[in-house]
Formats: sequence, C-alpha cells, structure tokens
Amino acid sequence: DSGVTQTPKHLITATGQRVTLRCSPRSGDLSVYWYQQSLDQGLQFLIQYYNGEERAKGNILERFSAQQFPDLHSELNLSSLELGDSALYFCASSVDWGTSSYNEQFFGPGTRLTVL
Amino acid sequence: AQSVTQLDSHVSVSEGTPVLLRCNYSSSYSPSLFWYVQHPNKGLQLLLKYTSAATLVKGINGFEAEFKKSETSFHLTKPSAHMSDAAEYFCVVSEAGGGADGLTFGKGTHLIIQP
Repeated sequence: DSGVTQTPKHLITATGQRVTLRCSPRSGDLSVYWYQQSLDQGLQFLIQYYNGEERAKGNILERFSAQQFPDLHSELNLSSLELGDSALYFCASSVDWGTSSYNEQFFGPGTRLTVL
Repeated sequence: AQSVTQLDSHVSVSEGTPVLLRCNYSSSYSPSLFWYVQHPNKGLQLLLKYTSAATLVKGINGFEAEFKKSETSFHLTKPSAHMSDAAEYFCVVSEAGGGADGLTFGKGTHLIIQP
C-alpha cells in the first residue's frame, strides 16, 4: 500500500458527460501528479500540482482540468467525455517537486474510467 | 525533449533463469531513470532509480540496473526469475532541470515466467 488513495475505483459513464476523479496524497506529500494509462497511448503524464499551485503540464487535453485543495487532495475533472477517454487514471504524490533522489513518486491504485 | 524506448514488448523466461529487460533513453539534460513494476490490477511500484550517483543501482526483490551513458541504456536485470516477478515493467525517464517533473514512461515490457 503506497499511502495514496484514489476514488472511485471504477467509473462508467456515457459520452458527453463530465466526471471527477479524486486523489488523496500520502501524509506530508505536497506534490500531486496525474497520469493516464490507455492501450494505445501507454502511460502519459497529464499535470502536476505542488502545494495548491499548478507546476507542470504534460499531455492534458483542454477538456480536462485539475486542482489541488488546501488540504492537498486533488481532483481531476474530465468533461465532454469521448470513447477514447476510457483509460486507467493514476494519481501519484511526492514530498517535493523535481527529480532529486529523495523525491520518489508514489502511485495510487488508479481509477478505471469506461466511457460508453 | 526526453524519451524512452523499451526494446521488447514481451519477454518470456523460465523460473530460476536470468531476466534482462532492455531500455534505451534520450534526454537533453542529466536524466533521472527509474524502473517501475505494475502487477495485474495494481498500481505502479518503484523498483529502483538512478539519479547521478552510482551507475549500478540495486532495487527491491533482487533487481538491479546499470546506467551506461555511452550507450544511453538502463537495462534491468535479475539473476534468477521467480513466478511472482510476472508483471508489466516500465522504464521511466525524467530530466533534472528540464522544467517538468512528470515522468516519461516507456511502452512497457510484459514479463512472462514459465514454470
């Protein structure tokens, strides 16, 4: 158990809908990262927040947005959903930002999104 | 820009024999390199990491990897495979000072252990 929790575990919805995925980082971690894992694209970095502020953006679509709240939990909002958005969405957390030797990213179990 | 190529999508070995999972990387900055493992229906777990210290890195469960700058490689090895090693393995690169802290993942190598 990494200490990172994600809810819900599974989500089934229809095209055009909007969903919110939630992530609680490990106690003491200030950075939260979101990743998407799909069969055709593999694992891709979406976005990172550090202590409430956006720090880095990866391959995140404009239909997607995220935020990190004062209690450090984060939400990933996916809107106008398309079939191709079906994927496993992972959240990770780390104590700091950057890739120094102590700043390991710990991954949650993921949320499986199915768009019908 | 950074990228990582895992040279084999599937590797099959017999239990008790050595494991070699190959990874090549490309990076404009001094890279940090990682191997993650993903067991079925589980999240990702860090096996080991290289962050410019020793070039031979030892990880959990008997795995190790060697950073070879001249070959831009970071291959993962284990002397003796165990059935519990069957999983998906990801080679990952991140650029120190590159401005983005997100990790760049390879496509993954599916490791199959034959009894």
